[in-house]
Amino acid sequence: AQSVTQPDIHITVSEGASLELRCNYSYGATPYLFWYVQSPGQGLQLLLKYFSGDTLVQGIKGFEAEFKRSQSSFNLRKPSVHWSDAAEYFCAVGGPLNNNDMRFGAGTRLTVKP
Amino acid sequence: KAGVTQTPRYLIKTRGQQVTLSCSPISGHRSVSWYQQTPGQGLQFLFEYFSETQRNKGNFPGRFSGRQFSNSRSEMNVSTLELGDSALYLCASRTDIGETQYFGPGTRLLVL
Repeated sequence: AQSVTQPDIHITVSEGASLELRCNYSYGATPYLFWYVQSPGQGLQLLLKYFSGDTLVQGIKGFEAEFKRSQSSFNLRKPSVHWSDAAEYFCAVGGPLNNNDMRFGAGTRLTVKP
Repeated sequence: KAGVTQTPRYLIKTRGQQVTLSCSPISGHRSVSWYQQTPGQGLQFLFEYFSETQRNKGNFPGRFSGRQFSNSRSEMNVSTLELGDSALYLCASRTDIGETQYFGPGTRLLVL
C-alpha cells in the first residue's frame, strides 16, 4: 500500500537556524513526491515536487528536498529559517499505482523561535 | 491565472442536514479532487473528477458524493450530516494525471 510517514509531529527551531523535515514513503514503483505547506486556516501551497531526474529538487521560499530511493526518503531542508516559515508541512506521494491521487503524511508543525 | 476557488469558505450545519460545497478549478484544469482534513485523520482523499466523470474514489461512505460540470467546476455533497463530518474540505485541480495539484483555500464545515 502507498503511504507516507512524517516521524516528527512538531519541530521548534530558532530563526536563522537550519531545518530538516523528514519524510519516508512506501510505494511500489517510482513515486511522485511533493511537499506542501499550510498556514493556519489556509489551503495547501506547493513547495516543491519530484517526478524524475535530478534527485535534489529546488522549491520556492528557499526550500529544497532530496529524493533518496535507497532510504525511501524525501526530506525537506532549508539552510536558514525565517519566522514566516512557521506553518504545517505535509509530504505527499502519488503515482500511477493509485491513479495519481495523493497520500499525505500526518504533517509536521514547525514553530520558529525568535 | 486565478487560483482554485471554493465557496463558501465557512459553513455551519446541524446533524441530519445536507450540504453542498463548490469548487472552481484553475482555468484549463480538467481534473478536480476533493480532500477532507481533520485533526484526527489528517488529509484524506475523497474522490477525483475528470471531464465530468468520477475517475477515482477514496474510502468514504456513500453519503459523500460529487459531480463535475462541463466547465470543470465541481460540487461535493454530503447528506445526513454527522458530527464527525466537521472538517476542512479542500479542493485541488490539475490538468491531468501526472501533473501537480493546486489546492484551494478550503471550506470549513462545522456540524452541530
